[in-house]
Amino acid sequence: EAGVVQSPRYKIIEKKQPVAFWCNPISGHNTLYWYLQNLGQGPELLIRYENEEAVDDSQLPKDRFSAERLKGVDSTLKIQPAELGDSAVYLCASSPGLGGKETQYFGPGTRLLVL
Amino acid sequence: GENVEQHPSTLSVQEGDSAVIKCTYSDSASNYFPWYKQELGKRPQLIIDIRSNVGEKKDQRIAVTLNKTAKHFSLHITETQPEDSAVYFCAALNTGFQKLVFGTGTRLLVSP
Repeated sequence: EAGVVQSPRYKIIEKKQPVAFWCNPISGHNTLYWYLQNLGQGPELLIRYENEEAVDDSQLPKDRFSAERLKGVDSTLKIQPAELGDSAVYLCASSPGLGGKETQYFGPGTRLLVL
Repeated sequence: GENVEQHPSTLSVQEGDSAVIKCTYSDSASNYFPWYKQELGKRPQLIIDIRSNVGEKKDQRIAVTLNKTAKHFSLHITETQPEDSAVYFCAALNTGFQKLVFGTGTRLLVSP
């Protein structure tokens, strides 16, 4: 079984530029998560999708961050414009079923560096 | 909301020793507690989990214990090996908020 796929793995941009991250969850997984992981910290949830619906985006900074999961499969997270403090690893995870109560499987992450 | 504290932040042991990592959580409504292992530059990988209707779970050299009354849970690794060296994260799932909250991680170093 293929795991969660993310691209790109690394991204370096200058501040104020836009950036986008892509995630393809494990086949058949209905719930998809985007997490932010700062250096030396645990992952923090940004947004959770159940199929194509964003059911928890309370921690997503909506002034600059946006996300979509149009067909309920893969998802894109965007930052526009990026700030220096956005440098971090962006992790995508997925779980089978709905309700956020099941085991989450993580992708390898996208490491973002904003200069 | 839920708050998860994890200790110690770093742990150094000799190969063959045991390692114990402890976490506490704040919300008694949390009922699912996974542990993830993250090697440098790699994805967090689930190594073991426990639900609140169970007090202990074991998988080969790894065990997790849960004390619901005290609201703490621990990861136990026996006969540690150098390949156990990684950052370990505990987490607690509050099914009311349907959100997994992670601890700050423990960097385990197993020296040969």
